[in-house]
Amino acid sequence: DTAVSQTPKYLVTQMGNDKSIKCEQNLGHDTMYWYKQDSKKFLKIMFSYNNKELIINETVPNRFSPKSPDKAHLNLHINSLELGDSAVYFCASSRYRGEKLFFGSGTQLSVL
Amino acid sequence: DQQVKQNSPSLSVQEGRISILNCDYTNSMFDYFLWYKKYPAEGPTFLISISSIKDKNEDGRFTVFLNKSAKHLSLHIVPSQPGDSAVYFCAVEGMRFGAGTRLTVKP
Repeated sequence: DTAVSQTPKYLVTQMGNDKSIKCEQNLGHDTMYWYKQDSKKFLKIMFSYNNKELIINETVPNRFSPKSPDKAHLNLHINSLELGDSAVYFCASSRYRGEKLFFGSGTQLSVL
Repeated sequence: DQQVKQNSPSLSVQEGRISILNCDYTNSMFDYFLWYKKYPAEGPTFLISISSIKDKNEDGRFTVFLNKSAKHLSLHIVPSQPGDSAVYFCAVEGMRFGAGTRLTVKP
C-alpha cells in the first residue's frame, strides 16, 4: 500500500495530444503538489493544493490544469503537448504546507 | 530566481569517510530547512530537517548544520556508505528545492 501513488509510470505520446497523470495519497494529508524534473534534473514546483483548493501556481503554461476532486487526489491534465513538456513529473503530499513531503515514484513523460 | 542553491553538482568520497554537502539560501526569513535523498527512478525521500531555532540536528549518521548569519546549511554523513550514493536535495519553505548534489561513495 504505497503512500503516494501516481499513474502511469511511463507515458509516451505525440506532440499536440492531451494526456492526464493521476495521483492519490493515502496518508490523510491536507496538501498535495506537482513537481517537474527537467533534463537538467531541477525539481521545480508547479502547483500546490490545500484541501482541494489551489494555493500555488508557479508560472506554469495554462495548458497544464490540475484537478483535485478530493483532498486525497490531485490529477494533472496537459493539453496540446509540446516537446519541452518531456520530463519526469512527481506528485507529493504533506500533512500541511511547509511540512516534509512524501513523493510518488514519478511519471516519465516523453513527447515525440 | 533560485532561492536555494547547491553549487556542487557532484561529490565523490571513499567509504567510511565524511561526506559534506552544502546548500545556500537567499532569504533570511526562511525558518525550516529539509534534506531529501533521491535514488534513480524513485521519488525523493525525506532525510533530515532543521528549524531556524537550532544550529544542529542529528539523526544517526546524518547531521545537518545551520549557519543563519551566512544563510548556509550543510549535511554531514559519517561514516559514508556505498548505499548513500544518491542525489541529495536541500529544500526551503517546505517545497522549493536546490539543484541537487550527486554523491558517490566508493567502496
